[in-house]
Amino acid sequence: AQSVSQHNHHVILSEAASLELGCNYSYGGTVNLFWYVQYPGQHLQLLLKYFSGDPLVKGIKGFEAEFIKSKFSFNLRKPSVQWSDTAEYFCAVSGTGGFKTIFGAGTRLFVKA
Amino acid sequence: DSGVTQTPKHLITATGQRVTLRCSPRSGDLSVYWYQQSLDQGLQFLIQYYNGEERAKGNILERFSAQQFPDLHSELNLSSLELGDSALYFCASSPSFGGSEAFFGQGTRLTVV
Repeated sequence: AQSVSQHNHHVILSEAASLELGCNYSYGGTVNLFWYVQYPGQHLQLLLKYFSGDPLVKGIKGFEAEFIKSKFSFNLRKPSVQWSDTAEYFCAVSGTGGFKTIFGAGTRLFVKA
Repeated sequence: DSGVTQTPKHLITATGQRVTLRCSPRSGDLSVYWYQQSLDQGLQFLIQYYNGEERAKGNILERFSAQQFPDLHSELNLSSLELGDSALYFCASSPSFGGSEAFFGQGTRLTVV
């Protein structure tokens, strides 16, 4: 069955700390991978996406993610978080053949000023 | 602003009632997705339409139905409402059938009392 697993439901960090959020997926065939962010009271917005090519993807606001095909993983990283990064982060996967996008349960990040 | 418009923003209704949520996708987008976000279930995929036809179904209850009209706007109908249906309902759109980035609306917050 298709699924996306995000390892941490809640993460609390201090400003300037490094961030890594885990994401593993189960999905047959070639996939497209996404990280979305939902700031408090707002809708989901795309942070970054991987379709093909360089497995290290750079997104907005200093975020990056690495696709490791052998591990079925697409972890999100940021070297130094800011208070404004407080939000919920969703990993998502979609099949290139036109299948529905599946989201992970989300990770709530709280950054202490 | 993602370009996806959802109405109404807030809805309060009683158990047993029926409501209709409306979504206007971004101009040119043919796919519309509906998601339910609740505290205990996270972000759940409900259903996808592409150019007027149902293309994928997720964890959508039989009490819920949706359709996409010729002008590509979509409606999600929720009937025989229960307290547990209280949630944020998001609509998203994308240009193609699948595999591409989804653009989310601001959501409709449904409260069933």
